[in-house]
Amino acid sequence: EVQLVESGGGLIHPEGSLRLSCAASAFTVSSNYMSWVRQAPGKGLEWVSIIYSDASTYYADSVKGRFTISRDISKNTLYLHMNSLRAEDTAVYYCAREAEGGGYFDYWGQGTLVTVSS
Amino acid sequence: QSVLTQPPSVSGAPGQRVTISCTGSSSNIGAGYDVHWYRQLPGTAPKLLIYGNNNRPSGVPDRFSGSKSGTSASLAITGLQAEDEADYYCQSYDSSLSGYVFGTGTKVTVL
Repeated sequence: EVQLVESGGGLIHPEGSLRLSCAASAFTVSSNYMSWVRQAPGKGLEWVSIIYSDASTYYADSVKGRFTISRDISKNTLYLHMNSLRAEDTAVYYCAREAEGGGYFDYWGQGTLVTVSS
Repeated sequence: QSVLTQPPSVSGAPGQRVTISCTGSSSNIGAGYDVHWYRQLPGTAPKLLIYGNNNRPSGVPDRFSGSKSGTSASLAITGLQAEDEADYYCQSYDSSLSGYVFGTGTKVTVL
């Protein structure tokens, strides 16, 4: 059964850094398109970043230059490295698998909460 | 900020039909990119409801259907049931942003 399990969230001061992890099972992260999607408290969904199977990456303008998406093939894990965190980055962060390049997300993790506050 | 616009809320009595619109632009839905729909219950991750404009994943009842025309798309729920109360989001790709975009979200209430 396909599973995505996020970890690494927590309370962090503004301008701090944090690394989120997303451990996958029953499929290979590096062979799939993987994204991070976030949801601020009481708000809608916002796509954050994607890493394609060829390792190319793209980011939402709101995080470009501050966040980096990566993966570890040996651990079958997706990461989101977040720097220069701001209050507006406070959100539940979900990792999601894109279905065979179909442009939609067929599996989601349970999410991990990141709170940026002094 | 979302580039796909949805009504904040829709409601209906049990058994009724409701529709949720998703309005985009020439760089996303109007450019021919597919529209997908997700349902999110409180405190849980979104779940795929419709993909490729009008396709249902295995396990999604045929009470849910999607359509797309021009720069807009719609999700229809027929035979509304209490368990349909949730937040619904549309999603597509935007060529000007080089990334995925979600709708603003719609809360469905069963009266």
